[in-house]
Amino acid sequence: EVQLVESGGGLVKPGGSLRLSCAASGFSFIAYNMNWVRQAPGKGLEWVSFISDSGTYIYYADSVKGRFTISRDNTKNSLYLQMHSLRADDTAVYFCAREGDYGGHSPLDYWGQGTLVTVSS
Amino acid sequence: EIVLTQSPGTLSLSPGERATLSCRASQSVSSIYLAWYQQKPGQAPRLLIYDASSRPTGIPDRFSGSGSGTDYTLTISRLEPEDFAVYYCQQYRRSTQTFGQGTKVEIK
Repeated sequence: EVQLVESGGGLVKPGGSLRLSCAASGFSFIAYNMNWVRQAPGKGLEWVSFISDSGTYIYYADSVKGRFTISRDNTKNSLYLQMHSLRADDTAVYFCAREGDYGGHSPLDYWGQGTLVTVSS
Repeated sequence: EIVLTQSPGTLSLSPGERATLSCRASQSVSSIYLAWYQQKPGQAPRLLIYDASSRPTGIPDRFSGSGSGTDYTLTISRLEPEDFAVYYCQQYRRSTQTFGQGTKVEIK
C-alpha cells in the first residue's frame, strides 16, 4: 500500500525557518517524481514545488522561489521541503504528493494527509 | 501562468441528480495535462480524472471528464451521498502546475 506521511509542521514566527519531511513507503520511491502542494485554511490547493525522480529537475511556484528548497534522499525514501523567510501567507497544510506513472507529465495520484504550518508571532 | 477558473462556486443538488462542473483555462491547455480531484473535509485530495477524460483504477464510472483547448467539464451522472465534496481541476505541466479555485457540491 502506498503511504506518504508528512511531518515537521508547527508554529513558527515570521521570518523563521522550518523543514518538512515526507516518508514514503509501499512503492519504489526512486522511480517517482514528487511534489509539495499546500492549502491555506479554508482555501484551495496551491502547487509549491516539484522534484524529479533523481533530483535532477526542480521547479518552484513563484510565491516560494528563493525561499523554499525541495530535496529528496532516495536511500531513505524521503522527500523534504526546507522553508526560510516564512511569512503569514505561508500558513497552510502542506501535502506531499506523488506524480503518477501515466507516461510523460502525470497527475498527482497519491497524497499524504498533510502537516500544518502556522506562521504567526 | 495558466489560470484555471471553475464554475459555479457552489452547486446545490440532491442525491441522484446530475452534476456538471466547469473548468476554463486562461490559455489553451493540452488535454493530456488536465486532471480533476475530489476533496472532503479534513482529507487529502483524491485523483478522479486525468488526461481530461481518463479514470484511474477504482474510480466509479459515474465520474466522467470531457473537453479540450480552454474548456473542460467534470460530470457526475448520478450523485451518491459520498460525492458531496469540493472538486478541483488542475493542469499538470510540471514546471507550472496550477489548480482551479474549486467547486463545492453540496446537498440541496
